[in-house]
Amino acid sequence: AQKITQTQPGMFVQEKEAVTLDCTYDTSDPSYGLFWYKQPSSGEMIFLIYQGSYDQQNATEGRYSLNFQKARKSANLVISASQLGDSAMYFCAMRVYQAGTALIFGKGTTLSVSS
Amino acid sequence: DTGVSQDPRHKITKRGQNVTFRCDPISEHNRLYWYRQTLGQGPEFLTYFQNEAQLEKSRLLSDRFSAERPKGSFSTLEIQHTEQGDSAMYLCASSFGLADYEQYFGPGTRLTVT
Repeated sequence: AQKITQTQPGMFVQEKEAVTLDCTYDTSDPSYGLFWYKQPSSGEMIFLIYQGSYDQQNATEGRYSLNFQKARKSANLVISASQLGDSAMYFCAMRVYQAGTALIFGKGTTLSVSS
Repeated sequence: DTGVSQDPRHKITKRGQNVTFRCDPISEHNRLYWYRQTLGQGPEFLTYFQNEAQLEKSRLLSDRFSAERPKGSFSTLEIQHTEQGDSAMYLCASSFGLADYEQYFGPGTRLTVT
């Protein structure tokens, strides 16, 4: 079965500190993509970063990096130098390419950044 | 580029009524997706269009749900005989071509069934 697991319901971090949001995935298919989305209180899902299963290097986008450990089936999101505006819900998602186009989402982690 | 838009943003309806939501994807995006998100959960896939063709449907899409994308532009999602369990946020997303790993989401329509 294809599944995304996010075990941290909530995380708290101070401004300017780094934070890691955990994500593990389950699929037996060798070709898949892993995504992180941010959902502020306004509700809109904002794409942050993507990692393909065949990518050799970890993906980075500005302050976001994805720590991809294929053998452990983990795809943790690292946010460096947290900002107050980073406070939101964060979702890890997976797309298994042989299975179609649907994104499979985890339950999310609420990140709270304090000053 | 105006982004994905959805209308209405909020809908309150009584049980048993029919509702219709609209999604306008980013222009020239040929792929359109509908997801449903209930409180405290991640979005769940409902259906997918490539141009005007509905290519994938989730088992979550019961017979009371129907989606269309005439002419491959905007899409509508209709729920007939609404039930309280239909209360959720309905999200629309679009993507284009080879870079379709990046699905752009709209702001969603929040449905409350009383």
